[in-house]
Amino acid sequence: EAQVTQNPRYLITVTGKKLTVTCSQNMNHEYMSWYRQDPGLGLRQIYYSMNVEVTDKGDVPEGYKVSRKEKRNFPLILESPSPNQTSLYFCASSLFGQGYGYTFGSGTRLTVV
Amino acid sequence: GIQVEQSPPDLILQEGANSTLRCNFSDSVNNLQWFHQNPWGQLINLFYIPSGTKQNGRLSATTVATERYSLLYISSSQTTDSGVYFCAVAAAVSGAGSYQLTFGKGTKLSVIP
Repeated sequence: EAQVTQNPRYLITVTGKKLTVTCSQNMNHEYMSWYRQDPGLGLRQIYYSMNVEVTDKGDVPEGYKVSRKEKRNFPLILESPSPNQTSLYFCASSLFGQGYGYTFGSGTRLTVV
Repeated sequence: GIQVEQSPPDLILQEGANSTLRCNFSDSVNNLQWFHQNPWGQLINLFYIPSGTKQNGRLSATTVATERYSLLYISSSQTTDSGVYFCAVAAAVSGAGSYQLTFGKGTKLSVIP
């Protein structure tokens, strides 16, 4: 089954403790992206990647890092999480980043206390 | 960047009623999509509709690109239609060879029995 898999689904952590949210897709998509969803704000793009070793900032990249060492994986790293990063996070992929045909993961609900 | 406005922000319907959700965008876009986020947080792609009209069962969508708006029609609503409906538009990212997806803030629909 074609899918984007995120882990974990839920995470509660403390301020300053580094964490990684994993994202993996099995569709051989070139393009992957991370979004955060906050009440009343919709989804906002954090980072995206056009291909292996190619990443770029979205609209809200502060406090996040990403890497793309393999085509299928695109982890989101929070080096020093803060409470304002409490949010619902989505990973998405598409074939070439052509603006349609996105597949979204099931989401990761992160709480930073 | 492109601004995407959705209306209404909240909508409560009696089961069986019809509704129209609107999405306005501030600039020319390459394409437009409608998503449904169910109460469990999962994002489902409903329509890819850069222009014209499409129908899928009780749902249909119309985009008038020249006037920068799109409408999502839900007929004979059911409780399973509840959730948040997002409009997302894609515009080319200068020099990157990809398209950035910008989401509206969503319309929260509650269908009551």
